Amino acid sequence: GQQVMQIPQYQHVQEGEDFTTYCNSSTTLSNIQWYKQRPGGHPVFLIQLVKSGEVKKQKRLTFQFGEAKKNSSLHITATQTTDVGTYFCAGRSNTGKLIFGQGTTLQVKP
Amino acid sequence: NAGVTQTPKFQVLKTGQSMTLQCAQDMNHNSMYWYRQDPGMGLRLIYYSASEGTTDKGEVPNGYNVSRLNKREFSLRLESAAPSQTSVYFCASSEGRALEAFFGQGTRLTVV
Repeated sequence: GQQVMQIPQYQHVQEGEDFTTYCNSSTTLSNIQWYKQRPGGHPVFLIQLVKSGEVKKQKRLTFQFGEAKKNSSLHITATQTTDVGTYFCAGRSNTGKLIFGQGTTLQVKP
Repeated sequence: NAGVTQTPKFQVLKTGQSMTLQCAQDMNHNSMYWYRQDPGMGLRLIYYSASEGTTDKGEVPNGYNVSRLNKREFSLRLESAAPSQTSVYFCASSEGRALEAFFGQGTRLTVV
């Protein structure tokens, strides 16, 4: 079945440093979504990428979808303590199932 | 709007007991999902329902059953709870196959 792998599992950064998490799928994806989960909370949708090579920005967050539509990345520029949480990518199977990666937990030291 | 509502929020079960986790959404979404979240494992799909009356197994369906009672409600049943089912369970819904999922607040289940 479809698998979505995400690395790294954990990342500790100093406030102001950049952060990147990477997502790879075993199959070609129709689209990829990114979610953020704050400690003790539930996942909240951030963005969806659909097109091959697509790049989208949300303030300090940059999302990329690979040319082959099998990988994606999330880059945060100049992290802040409010960025703390776990970031998940999720890909849709051709039957509509939403499969999540293992997530990357970001900790930011002030 | 309440969005996606899960009950209960916390539950402790003894091994072998049964229980049903309830989920309801008020957004008129077609698709609904049940996930479990364990440390280091991310969110793993248990069951998926594309529409009322249909269900499909996810990545980890063993030990669980589901019912899509109507368009609003999607319940998850543990017939004979095991310690390995200790986890945080999330229900989610989405309008369609290509759109964002909205999550409930989660149910923290402990099986002793």
